[in-house]
Formats: sequence, structure tokens, C-alpha cells
Amino acid sequence: EDQVTQSPEALRLQEGESSSLNCSYTVSGLRGLFWYRQDPGKGPEFLFTLYSAGEEKEKERLKATLTKKESFLHITAPKPEDSATYLCAVQASSNDYKLSFGAGTTVTVRA
Amino acid sequence: DAMVIQNPRYQVTQFGKPVTLSCSQTLNHNVMYWYQQKSSQAPKLLFHYYDKDFNNEADTPDNFQSRRPNTSFCFLDIRSPGLGDAAMYLCATSRDPLMVAGYNEQFFGPGTRLTVL
Repeated sequence: EDQVTQSPEALRLQEGESSSLNCSYTVSGLRGLFWYRQDPGKGPEFLFTLYSAGEEKEKERLKATLTKKESFLHITAPKPEDSATYLCAVQASSNDYKLSFGAGTTVTVRA
Repeated sequence: DAMVIQNPRYQVTQFGKPVTLSCSQTLNHNVMYWYQQKSSQAPKLLFHYYDKDFNNEADTPDNFQSRRPNTSFCFLDIRSPGLGDAAMYLCATSRDPLMVAGYNEQFFGPGTRLTVL
């Protein structure tokens, strides 16, 4: 069974204090790894898809990287509006549809 | 803007009283999904539709059913809600992964928060 573990569970940052979130995964053949942002009481918002080890993607202050066992979401010089829960999900090669999610990392950025 | 819409945003029902949640999409995606997300937990896939083909996850309780009358709409029916079914229910859509080299980026609606009294 596919397993996704995110750490830490919660992260409190000062505005401008860069940090990284970890997503460790076990899957029988990775088709894709996905990062989502979820604000309280809302649905997840798609951020990135990564397909192969060594791949990197960036969007504003966020940068996602992928290795064969884990992915990192780097937040550079965060602002209070970056406060959210960040979810990681994996799709196995054997399944065209199912995403298996981690429980997320809740990031709070203080001004 | 193309989007996924869920109604209602908040639903309160009584223990054992059937309830239906609604999802519509303007993205014209082939695939629609229903997830259950409990507080501070990962979203859990309940089932998905590929066009009109229904696919149930093995561990989805029989209490949960779904209907997809057309491409745009999908419904989640909970036949006899229990206290343990209180959760956020998320609808998502994706393009046909068999047509886009297997890429399965899913786009979510805002969710329906279900309370069971």
C-alpha cells in the first residue's frame, strides 16, 4: 500500500524566515508526486506536479524538489499569506486515478 | 472561470437521516472524485467516476453511494449518516489520465462540511 508521511506536522515561522517541509513516500513505481495548499475550511489548491527524481518546480516563494524517496517544499522568505496546510500526494504507476495523500504540514507565518 | 462547485458548503443532518451532497464542474473533465477529509487528516478517496463508469475504493462503506447523471454533475449520497461520518467532503476532477500521458492533476472544489447531530 502506498504510504505518504509529512513532517513536521506544524511549523511556525517568522516572516522572512525560510524553511523546508518534507514528504517521504513509499510507492510501487511513482507516476507523479503532487503538492497542494489547503486553507482552513477550503478545498486543496493545486501547486505542483513532479514526475522524476531531480526535478524541481518553482512558484513565487515556493520551490518543490523530488528524490527517489522524498520531496521537499522550500518556502523562501515567507509572508503571512503563505500560512496554510501544505499537502503532498503520490500516484502509483499501477493506478491511473488514485492519489494517496499525507496528513499535511500546517505552516503559520507571523508578521 | 472554469471551476468545481460544491453545494451546500455546510450541511447539518440528523443521525440516520439520508443526505445528498452535490458537485458540479465547468472544466469538462472526464473524471470526478469524492474524498472524505476528517479534521487534521489526509483526504481519503471514496470513489471516482471515469465518465459514467463507477469505481469504488475497497474500504468505502456501503453507506456511501454516488451518482453521475451527466459530465458536469456528481452526487454523494450518505444513506444513514453516523456520527463518524462528520467530515469535510471534497469533490475533485481531472482530465482523462489515459489521454494525457497518465498525468493526474486533480482540481478540488471548496468542500462541504457535514455535521451529524
